[in-house]
Amino acid sequence: EDQVTQSPEALRLQEGESSSLNCSYTVSGLRGLFWYRQDPGKGPEFLFTLYSAGEEKEKERLKATLTKKESFLHITAPKPEDSATYLCAALHNAGNMLTFGGGTRLMVKP
Amino acid sequence: EAGVTQFPSHSVIEKGQTVTLRCDPISGHDNLYWYRRVMGKEIKFLLHFVKESKQDESGMPNNRFLAERTGGTYSTLKVQPAELEDSGVYFCASSPGTGSYEQYFGPGTRLTVT
Repeated sequence: EDQVTQSPEALRLQEGESSSLNCSYTVSGLRGLFWYRQDPGKGPEFLFTLYSAGEEKEKERLKATLTKKESFLHITAPKPEDSATYLCAALHNAGNMLTFGGGTRLMVKP
Repeated sequence: EAGVTQFPSHSVIEKGQTVTLRCDPISGHDNLYWYRRVMGKEIKFLLHFVKESKQDESGMPNNRFLAERTGGTYSTLKVQPAELEDSGVYFCASSPGTGSYEQYFGPGTRLTVT
């Protein structure tokens, strides 16, 4: 069964303190690995898709990387407005459904 | 470009009643998905439409749930009769046609069954 696990569940950082969020997956046939940001009361907001091991994508202070077993979301010099829940999801190569992890709730204090 | 919209944003109903949720995808997106998150759990897939056809409904929990997408535009998800365990947030997402896999989510409908 496809499984996506995110760690840590919650992360508190001081403004400017860089860190990484982890997403490990066991999917038989990965078509893509997605990262989303979700703010309270809102739907997931698309950030990145990674398709192959070694691929990296960047957006402002965020950089996502992918290996054959896991993905990392690196946050460089975070700001309070980066506080949100970050979700990763795996897309299987047979079908279009996303399998989501439980998310990491990031809190950045000024 | 307008995003995915969902209506209502919040619905409170009693056990045994019927509720219909609506989703309007991004214009031109052939693929439409329903997901839900129940309390304390991950977001789970319910079903996938390609235009007006159900491509995959493997995530639908039981026959109290009925999804439609008449004309390949907006979609409705009806729960009849609602049970307590149906409470949660129902998300709709859409993506363009073949070759693009990014799914864009709506704000969700929070359903509370009392």
